[in-house]
Amino acid sequence: KNQVEQSPQSLIILEGKNCTLQCNYTVSPFSNLRWYKQDTGRGPVSLTIMTFSENTKSNGRYTATLDADTKQSSLHITASQLSDSASYICVVTGGSYIPTFGRGTSLIVHP
Amino acid sequence: DGGITQSPKYLFRKEGQNVTLSCEQNLNHDAMYWYRQDPGQGLRLIYYSQIVNDFQKGDIAEGYSVSREKKESFPLTVTSAQKNPTAFYLCASADRGRYEQYFGPGTRLTVT
Repeated sequence: KNQVEQSPQSLIILEGKNCTLQCNYTVSPFSNLRWYKQDTGRGPVSLTIMTFSENTKSNGRYTATLDADTKQSSLHITASQLSDSASYICVVTGGSYIPTFGRGTSLIVHP
Repeated sequence: DGGITQSPKYLFRKEGQNVTLSCEQNLNHDAMYWYRQDPGQGLRLIYYSQIVNDFQKGDIAEGYSVSREKKESFPLTVTSAQKNPTAFYLCASADRGRYEQYFGPGTRLTVT
């Protein structure tokens, strides 16, 4: 069964600090992996999308990495801001083009 | 202004009533999806459609129905058969080539 596991479940950091969120998946075959940011009560917004041949992708202060061999991805947030407080969701799409969603990591940035 | 819209943002219904959630997109995407989100859980797929006049059940289709008569519209009906309909509902669309999903703002349905 295709699964996406994210860790930690929740994370609290101080403004200005860096953090890294983890995503492990068992989806096979692999098509792409996406990271979304979801503010409370809103729809998810795409941060990065990576295919099999890409191992890193940046979007401003967000940098995603992908290791297709170990089926792991990480999202690194640099110099966190209060507006980074949100849920971060890892999504993996396989051969059927139906994505599998992780449960998300809830990030809280304190001033 | 391109995007995907859902209406209304908040919806309240009495138990036993059917209710239809609207989803419209002007991105010219072929594929559209409906998800349900409950606290502490990941998004769960209700229905999806890859072309007009065709749709498939997702993981939790029981108690829901959809139609896809137009490319830009994919309404979801929550029927009285859905045992626990109170949730946050998200609609998404995607280009069939990249399959990067774009999400609407969501509709929060409360049934009492």
